Amino acid sequence: NAGVTQTPKFRILKIGQSMTLQCTQDMNHNYMYWYRQDPGMGLKLIYYSVGAGITDKGEVPNGYNVSRSTTEDFPLRLELAAPSQTSVYFCASSRRGQAGADTQYFGPGTRLTVL
Amino acid sequence: GQQVMQIPQYQHVQEGEDFTTYCNSSTTLSNIQWYKQRPGGHPVFLIQLVKSGEVKKQKRLTFQFGEAKKNSSLHITATQTTDVGTYFCAGQESNYQLIWGAGTKLIIKP
Repeated sequence: NAGVTQTPKFRILKIGQSMTLQCTQDMNHNYMYWYRQDPGMGLKLIYYSVGAGITDKGEVPNGYNVSRSTTEDFPLRLELAAPSQTSVYFCASSRRGQAGADTQYFGPGTRLTVL
Repeated sequence: GQQVMQIPQYQHVQEGEDFTTYCNSSTTLSNIQWYKQRPGGHPVFLIQLVKSGEVKKQKRLTFQFGEAKKNSSLHITATQTTDVGTYFCAGQESNYQLIWGAGTKLIIKP
C-alpha cells in the first residue's frame, strides 16, 4: 500500500492564481482531512470528509473548496491564491476504531508559496 | 469550543537529558493521540491512550493519560538525536475530529 499520496510536492503561485492539490489514499478509509501548517506552528483543519459525497468545514475553510466523489480521492481547491495561503498542506485519512479511536495517516505534504 | 493546550512550545536539552511535554484539554476526552513530526516531514502516529489513568511505554517514551481524561503527557528518558522533532498531542471527543495541540519542539543542544 502506498498509504496517502499528495501531489505536487512543491508549488509557487502568483497572487490570484488557482490550483488543485491532489490527495489519494489506498487504505479504503472513509475519513479524509485537509490541514495547513504554517511555519513553526501546529495543524489547522481546513476541510474534512466522512465519506464519498460528504464534506464539511473545519477551522479555517475560507479561500478553499473540496470535493469527495470517490473514497480514494479528496482534492483541495484554492481559488484566487493569496500570500496568506503560503503554507504546508497535509492530507490525512483515518478509519474509525472500536472506541471511536481515529488514528490519522498523513501524506508527505505540499509546500505552497504564493507570491 | 474544545481546546487542547500544549506546553512548552520549545524545549532545549542536552543529549542524554530527559524531555517532557504536557497537554491539557478544556473538556473530557474519549481518547488522546500523540504524533511526532520530524523536521521537514509529516506527522506520524506514535500512540493512543483511551483509559483513565492509562500509562503506556515505548522504549524510552512514556505516555500518560490523566484520571479525569483531560490531560496527558509524553516523557522521553535520555534523549537521543533521533528524538529531534515536534511532538503533537491530539484529543478526540465523541466525534471523529481530532483537536490538535500546538506542538512541542524538541531541540538537542550541540
